[in-house]
Amino acid sequence: GEDVEQSLFLSVREGDSSVINCTYTDSSSTYLYWYKQEPGAGLQLLTYIFSNMDMKQDQRLTVLLNKKDKHLSLRIADTQTGDSAIYFCAEADDKIIFGKGTRLHILP
Amino acid sequence: GAVVSQHPSWVICKSGTSVKIECRSLDFQATTMFWYRQFPKQSLMLMATSNEGSKATYEQGVEKDKFLINHASLTLSTLTVTSAHPEDSSFYICSARDPQGASTEAFFGQGTRLTVV
Repeated sequence: GEDVEQSLFLSVREGDSSVINCTYTDSSSTYLYWYKQEPGAGLQLLTYIFSNMDMKQDQRLTVLLNKKDKHLSLRIADTQTGDSAIYFCAEADDKIIFGKGTRLHILP
Repeated sequence: GAVVSQHPSWVICKSGTSVKIECRSLDFQATTMFWYRQFPKQSLMLMATSNEGSKATYEQGVEKDKFLINHASLTLSTLTVTSAHPEDSSFYICSARDPQGASTEAFFGQGTRLTVV
């Protein structure tokens, strides 16, 4: 069945770039998403990329997609304390499948 | 952007009672809504796909008689946890897609934290 894998934890110094990686298995996925979840809150859509794209940039966020390797990454430039959250990668075709989430911890 | 409203945000109920959670798409019609469950420190788990006017499609391992889903209109889906038990305590999240939107991004409700005592 479909599966989405991502590392569970990432620690980054404030001001550095954060790179969160994700792999997925369903080659028919049409969209790939990155969601952010702050403590006690629902998921917030950060960005998405169509499966026929390689890269998408949106302000401090850069999404890279390697469709051949089924690898997706999210880069957050100039990481701030407000970026501290859990980031979920998700793939979608007819339904959305989420990874387990990567907890991003910001070091002072 | 499109908004999905989920109600209530949190609920505490006694073991053996039933709890209904509502998911509404506020400014678009959602023919399909999804119900997820999140266990502490774990990922979201898709429970079922709710289709307007027809029976929900449940994921393997999810008891359809325990988690009743009704999608009676294009803007409302409900999840009823019947005869709730403490192990049903969890964070339940719904999502909906706007089929008329520029993309098929999914919009999420704010989630419902259910505590069964």
